[in-house]
Amino acid sequence: QQQVKQSPQSLIVQKGGIPIINCAYENTAFDYFPWYQQFPGKGPALLIAIRPDVSEKKEGRFTISFNKSAKQFSLHIMDSQPGDSATYFCAASITQGAQKLVFGQGTRLTINP
Amino acid sequence: EAQVTQNPRYLITVTGKKLTVTCSQNMNHEYMSWYRQDPGLGLRQIYYSMNVEVTDKGDVPEGYKVSRKEKRNFPLILESPSPNQTSLYFCASRRRGQFNQPQHFGDGTRLSIL
Repeated sequence: QQQVKQSPQSLIVQKGGIPIINCAYENTAFDYFPWYQQFPGKGPALLIAIRPDVSEKKEGRFTISFNKSAKQFSLHIMDSQPGDSATYFCAASITQGAQKLVFGQGTRLTINP
Repeated sequence: EAQVTQNPRYLITVTGKKLTVTCSQNMNHEYMSWYRQDPGLGLRQIYYSMNVEVTDKGDVPEGYKVSRKEKRNFPLILESPSPNQTSLYFCASRRRGQFNQPQHFGDGTRLSIL
């Protein structure tokens, strides 16, 4: 079963819009939530990450919102650009032991000019 | 330049013909892992290794083998490939014990098993 559920599967937004990608998790032991960005022909690369002791984290135009009680977190991209077109993966990890990353299904984002 | 290198990048082969995908990292990372990426399923971990000679199963290990004889290398072995192993494979590495260190991914190996 999918431990981290991501939606939507694909998203098309006009330049300057604010795409929002949502993720939900079941395991309350998860305590590290990164987002990865993947361009065609490349491996995923870490974009931004959050711990559950904060409700929001911003890095440049990228913001993670985290709702611990709802077990949900989301990625917002402000002033989106065509260069942001990529596949985005949320993930979750337990920071003890093997620290295995569990990924969501991925969202293919297209920003139209 | 810090990198994870996978070879080959593309391979078309036939059912039952043993193959190995190599993975090498130059960052002296302890932790290495293999993932497969399939549409609608995201990335799923196949095997991981926390250090030399220490390997363990991930979520989808059936049909795969790994070895970690040297710190920099972590090959993925398909001893008898089947069509359901057609996928995009990624090797990754990171420093052990630092959860907030990013995993560095290779650029992927696209395998087609006919």
